[in-house]
Amino acid sequence: AQRVTQPEKLLSVFKGAPVELKCNYSYSGSPELFWYVQYSRQRLQLLLRHISRESIKGFTADLNKGETSFHLKKPFAQEEDSAMYYCALRSGNTGKLIFGQGTTLQVKP
Amino acid sequence: DGGITQSPKYLFRKEGQNVTLSCEQNLNHDAMYWYRQDPGQGLRLIYYSQIVNDFQKGDIAEGYSVSREKKESFPLTVTSAQKNPTAFYLCASSMRQDEKLFFGSGTQLSVL
Repeated sequence: AQRVTQPEKLLSVFKGAPVELKCNYSYSGSPELFWYVQYSRQRLQLLLRHISRESIKGFTADLNKGETSFHLKKPFAQEEDSAMYYCALRSGNTGKLIFGQGTTLQVKP
Repeated sequence: DGGITQSPKYLFRKEGQNVTLSCEQNLNHDAMYWYRQDPGQGLRLIYYSQIVNDFQKGDIAEGYSVSREKKESFPLTVTSAQKNPTAFYLCASSMRQDEKLFFGSGTQLSVL
């Protein structure tokens, strides 16, 4: 079964601290993985996707097929990073995009 | 102003009533999606459509129905068979099924 798991509902860190939001997936084929973010009073939007191998707003995520993980990392958290973060997996066969439960990141001053 | 529009923002349903949530996009996107967002459960896929006049069930389609008669529109009907309809509903679209999703601002449905 295809599944995305984000084990932390809430992650609270101080400004300047490193951040890692965990995401694990189960998928039998070659997964395509994404991180979406929802800032307060804004729409859900794409943050980054693994095939782009890009860094957006200082965030990076590496696909680890051995550990079936796609953790989101940032070396120094900023207050404006406070938001809800969703990890998502696209099924290559159907095009379905499956989301995890979401993690609220709270960056304290 | 291009985008994806959901209406209404808030909707109340009486017992035994069907209600329809609107989703319109002027982005010329082929694919459209409906998700349900519940606290602690993330987003769960209800229905999706990759092309006009075609749609597929998602993971929690029971009690819902959709239509895709026009490229721009993908309305979701919450039927009386859906016993726990109170949730935040999000509509999304993408150029193709492998492109990033653009989301609407959502509709909060509550039961009276």
